Amino acid sequence: GAVVSQHPSRVICKSGTSVKIECRSLDFQATTMFWYRQFPKQSLMLMATSNEGSKATYEQGVEKDKFLINHASLTLSTLTVTSAHPEDSSFYICSAETGRHEQYFGPGTRLTVT
Amino acid sequence: GESVGLHLPTLSVQEGDNSIINCAYSNSASDYFIWYKQESGKGPQFIIDIRSNMDKRQGQRVTVLLNKTVKHLSLQIAATQPGDSAVYFCAENSAGGTSYGKLTFGQGTILTVHP
Repeated sequence: GAVVSQHPSRVICKSGTSVKIECRSLDFQATTMFWYRQFPKQSLMLMATSNEGSKATYEQGVEKDKFLINHASLTLSTLTVTSAHPEDSSFYICSAETGRHEQYFGPGTRLTVT
Repeated sequence: GESVGLHLPTLSVQEGDNSIINCAYSNSASDYFIWYKQESGKGPQFIIDIRSNMDKRQGQRVTVLLNKTVKHLSLQIAATQPGDSAVYFCAENSAGGTSYGKLTFGQGTILTVHP
């Protein structure tokens, strides 16, 4: 139980385009999901908290217009990187909170912007 | 908050040895502490957690110790195996109540187990 998936696992896009990453809780409903970003050999940095049916809460320094988050259902949150640039290349990881308030992580999405 | 480290601490052990990974946390109001294991190219995997009203918790081959006086957390892995090689992160939560909520991650420790 408590499985979280992400799609795609890897994506390469050209500078200026937008990329959508999906995060799904497969066997539980998640009112709250979280999006993290991780650079090589570094820790996870929380980007935003995604709440089903309401606007996401962004951490300081994270541009909400650049990183669009939609949490339209209890099992799906999406992160769209708009007008991507090479500096947006990173490992993006989502997590979902269960009804027991435990947090499980997805496998991550490797984004490369050329 | 964020935790960033350009040079992760490393720990190298021989297979069968016990490993101790340490973590210092910053917020004395944190309620939950969680240890995660992250293998290369994958998301973090839950290992064990502990609430702030406890000082020790044991799992299968793992023990977490919490010292609130000095804000220190440790993860002990017994009989370390090559499959334990990964980056280990501690995370703290200060949301209160029973929710993990927002997590603040430590910088991580690279564990390498030699056969």
